[in-house]
Amino acid sequence: DAGITQSPRHKVTETGTPVTLRCHQTENHRYMYWYRQDPGHGLRLIHYSYGVKDTDKGEVSDGYSVSRSKTEDFLLTLESATSSQTSVYFCAIRPGRGPDTQYFGPGTRLTVL
Amino acid sequence: AQTVTQSQPEMSVQEAETVTLSCTYDTSESDYYLFWYKQPPSRQMILVIRQEAYKQQNATENRFSVNFQKAAKSFSLKISDSQLGDAAMYFCAYFTGANSKLTFGKGITLSVRP
Repeated sequence: DAGITQSPRHKVTETGTPVTLRCHQTENHRYMYWYRQDPGHGLRLIHYSYGVKDTDKGEVSDGYSVSRSKTEDFLLTLESATSSQTSVYFCAIRPGRGPDTQYFGPGTRLTVL
Repeated sequence: AQTVTQSQPEMSVQEAETVTLSCTYDTSESDYYLFWYKQPPSRQMILVIRQEAYKQQNATENRFSVNFQKAAKSFSLKISDSQLGDAAMYFCAYFTGANSKLTFGKGITLSVRP
């Protein structure tokens, strides 16, 4: 257990509505990541953060924004959800020192109708 | 850009037998890390094993071991004495500190026959 929680765990929403997913860690790690998982694609990086207020884009960042105002929280926002954003979203953390291993949260299943 | 290829979408193994899952990757970096993650039906991503590219010795974790061939850019996972609980999707992943990003393969679904 790497001390990572995601909320909500499941969400159903309608096209065009804003959605915010939250990732919370208790380990005070520097790096945090958001991925999406889709059949046939593995996990793909959306955005990541290397410190408070420091973020960068991943390979599938269009339609998503992130914020990190505290070390322990990393928020992923879909400003106007679309059906193509139906997916399972994973948050991950990495200490940034010692073994460079990412540890994952339990995932959030998002359905956009 | 780094890429990770898992060419076999599915594999099956008899309980107590040994199975090898294949993974190749492409990179121009010399210093990097390779991982195998397991994803059971619970959806949780679980780290199975980790290999540092600068280490020549293959990593081992109990029944799990890797065959790391740096020149060939190959990183296969061997599961010995397969158990029913090993049934899951397995992902190979590559990480370099140069861009702080983890790149995943598409995964392979492993089934274990009793």
